[in-house]
Amino acid sequence: QVQLQQWGAGLLKPSETLSLTCTDYGTSYSGFYWSWIRQPPGKRLEWIGEINHDRSTNYNPSLKSRVTITMDASKTQFSLNLNSVTAADTAMYYCARGSRLELDDAFNVWGQGTMVSVSS
Amino acid sequence: QSVLTQSPSLSGAPGQRVTISCSGSSSNIGSNTVHWYQQVPGSAPNLLIHSNTQRPSGVPDRFSGSKSGTSASLAISGLQSEDETSYYCATWDDSLNGVIFGGGTKLTVL
Repeated sequence: QVQLQQWGAGLLKPSETLSLTCTDYGTSYSGFYWSWIRQPPGKRLEWIGEINHDRSTNYNPSLKSRVTITMDASKTQFSLNLNSVTAADTAMYYCARGSRLELDDAFNVWGQGTMVSVSS
Repeated sequence: QSVLTQSPSLSGAPGQRVTISCSGSSSNIGSNTVHWYQQVPGSAPNLLIHSNTQRPSGVPDRFSGSKSGTSASLAISGLQSEDETSYYCATWDDSLNGVIFGGGTKLTVL
């Protein structure tokens, strides 16, 4: 069954803000970490950042100045905001979940992906 | 250096054993565990191996992982046509303070 379902706008203009949300339908667990990961066409996966059950965040330094990851009050939805987008931000964006205790920093549950294109 | 290096492509015949390698440095593979993902085109990555050698439930035992120093390997034995896809290594990088991924290896089953 689907455990992570994501959604958000797929077409943006340069300088706009990318906003994606992911709902976790799985069992609640305080040890979970949720991440956003992207993959430009034909390129490697790039970790964007993470948030944990305590809402502590950690971001990729290369994106830190433009990224915000938040979690809602129910701790079942988490969101990615990436501002001032350019064509270089065109990619498939995934939400993913892991558990440091059981999996170290691996991700065993992934969302279906959202293709985001930035074009004027 | 926060980079993981994989050979871009690899091929093998059905039934053969192939090994996909992943090379890093002391700040990543050298001090953290390695994970392997399989990614079918158009789909999200799927976790094959975590923590160097551990197979999640449902992953066939044809897949195995190992790590030595600053390198890691994914071995696939009894190669099947369904194994023809891309494989990525990943680990934590202490310099980046985050997860990094290899460039991926596209496996072709001849």
